[in-house]
Amino acid sequence: GQSLEQPSEVTAVEGAIVQINCTYQTSGFYGLSWYQQHDGGAPTFLSYNALDGLEETGRFSSFLSRSDSYGYLLLQELQMKDSASYFCAVNRDDKIIFGKGTRLHILP
Amino acid sequence: DAGVIQSPRHEVTEMGQEVTLRCKPISGHDYLFWYRQTMMRGLELLIYFNNNVPIDDSGMPEDRFSAKMPNASFSTLKIQPSEPRDSAVYFCASSLAGWETQYFGPGTRLLVL
Repeated sequence: GQSLEQPSEVTAVEGAIVQINCTYQTSGFYGLSWYQQHDGGAPTFLSYNALDGLEETGRFSSFLSRSDSYGYLLLQELQMKDSASYFCAVNRDDKIIFGKGTRLHILP
Repeated sequence: DAGVIQSPRHEVTEMGQEVTLRCKPISGHDYLFWYRQTMMRGLELLIYFNNNVPIDDSGMPEDRFSAKMPNASFSTLKIQPSEPRDSAVYFCASSLAGWETQYFGPGTRLLVL
């Protein structure tokens, strides 16, 4: 079978750091992607990891451990505009499978 | 570039009617994807094309759903006949080289009464 697990909700304070985890079970794994989606909007690509390690893009970083079937998205210096849902997605050779999404709430 | 363009943005129709959703991918992108998003099932891949050729349609829920890509700048997703359970947001996305970086359109919000 194949599955992705990520927390349904996470709450953090403006200016802080938050980590959103994603674990997966799938065969034929190619890479892990992260997307952001604001309410009523479309998913927006954030990052992609095909190899183990950390990828940094501005305030956002993404990490992958293939041996642990685990990845995370790290958001630093949180801003109110980061309030959104975040989806991890596993790319297989012939499919992409999205997680259910993590709703990030940011408190002032 | 204008990004991925979808039309209509909203569609309300009655059960049994035919619905056609349209998508114009980003120029130069070889891959086009159709997704459906609902609260219950999340974001699901329906079908994707590479160079206008359908590669995998195993996500298409039933024979009532069909998709075409007659040229590199246009694709349609058709539902005939539509049913209330088809109500969802349908997204089209395109990419240069496969799964990695997909650019999503604004979506079509479909309500079937």
